[in-house]
Amino acid sequence: DAGVIQSPRHEVTEMGQEVTLRCKPISGHDYLFWYRQTMMRGLELLIYFNNNVPIDDSGMPEDRFSAKMPNASFSTLKIQPSEPRDSAVYFCASSFARAGNEQFFGPGTRLTVL
Amino acid sequence: RKEVEQDPGPFNVPEGATVAFNCTYSNSASQSFFWYRQDCRKEPKLLMSVYSSGNEDGRFTAQLNRASQYISLLIRDSKLSDSATYLCVVNKGGGNQFYFGTGTSLTVIP
Repeated sequence: DAGVIQSPRHEVTEMGQEVTLRCKPISGHDYLFWYRQTMMRGLELLIYFNNNVPIDDSGMPEDRFSAKMPNASFSTLKIQPSEPRDSAVYFCASSFARAGNEQFFGPGTRLTVL
Repeated sequence: RKEVEQDPGPFNVPEGATVAFNCTYSNSASQSFFWYRQDCRKEPKLLMSVYSSGNEDGRFTAQLNRASQYISLLIRDSKLSDSATYLCVVNKGGGNQFYFGTGTSLTVIP
């Protein structure tokens, strides 16, 4: 059974470039979460979706960040333009309907902005 | 105040030792509690859920004190493979959104 799939696994880009991170949740899961993890701040929730609809994007740091979920099996997180302080590991996670249920994480995308 | 607070450690313990991690949370409406484990450069994975009555899974025991808004994880007979970061996780007011602690680092030494 495939878990959460993320691509790319590593991304190195230059400041000012657009970055698109991709996620495929576990089939049948109806919640999808995007997190960012840094040494200083730990794991922070950026945005989450329920049935493809964004529910809470209060964690999105600023307008340079946007996320979409066009269907139940795909989501993107876009940063435009990227800045060095965006360097972090970005995780996607999914879960099933029941409140408080286990979140399954993808392997993450390690982003470095030079 | 952070939603979830943990002692970051690091905890360095010899093999076979017993070690305990503590965590406090600020939202009294939280209903679900978990411990996740994260290995170096890997994704977090569920270690165990934490139930009001306390629960045990092999060498691992988790406890919840709602009155004090406190969660604990006890690891007995530590193994080298227990070396990881342990994340305390609390849901937001009964919903599907989680708050993660910054993690407690454990290294088990031969």
